[in-house]
Amino acid sequence: QQQVKQSPQSLIVQKGGISIINCAYENTAFDYFPWYQQFPGKGPALLIAIRPDVSEKKEGRFTISFNKSAKQFSLHIMDSQPGDSATYFCAAFRDSNYQLIWGAGTKLIIKP
Amino acid sequence: DAGITQSPRHKVTETGTPVTLRCHQTENHRYMYWYRQDPGHGLRLIHYSYGVKDTDKGEVSDGYSVSRSKTEDFLLTLESATSSQTSVYFCAIRKLASGGGGEQYFGPGTRLTVT
Repeated sequence: QQQVKQSPQSLIVQKGGISIINCAYENTAFDYFPWYQQFPGKGPALLIAIRPDVSEKKEGRFTISFNKSAKQFSLHIMDSQPGDSATYFCAAFRDSNYQLIWGAGTKLIIKP
Repeated sequence: DAGITQSPRHKVTETGTPVTLRCHQTENHRYMYWYRQDPGHGLRLIHYSYGVKDTDKGEVSDGYSVSRSKTEDFLLTLESATSSQTSVYFCAIRKLASGGGGEQYFGPGTRLTVT
């Protein structure tokens, strides 16, 4: 019940296209869902996050879509650019145990 | 970058030797975390702290211990390093947002090689 399942493991998208990464969870007690972006040799950086009381959150070219009934959430990157090439992690958080539960990551490559 | 530094940034050590990694933060956050990152495994929590002298185990705590004697420092110790502990180690802090939430911010990482 603690797992967050992330797919796909890797993704190649043409420049200008839409990148979509999906995550699913089981524990309905999770109440915060962040996405992190990690470049090689760097620590993960918080990209965007959502709470389950909203179905969508947009920040620039990055959008989280959240489906509470299906227990799924996804990251959409619009107009994908080569600079977006990185590994993306979804995560889920439950305040009562202080911990983030992480997906396994998606390596995104944007082809020029 | 939440004022997090890690030291050393790179270390090579021999099997069986003790190793201590340091995480230092400048913003007085209560929660601190140690993760390891390995290819194919993503980020795995080793230990975390929710206050001075308050720590708890994560999912991969065997072979590791931690200490937090002051708010700004969180130390990770490998009592007797093994080759399976070769990894990149990240420290993180949690910033408390209004209404709760778990925004974590990461340090630059320590690359540890055990030969």
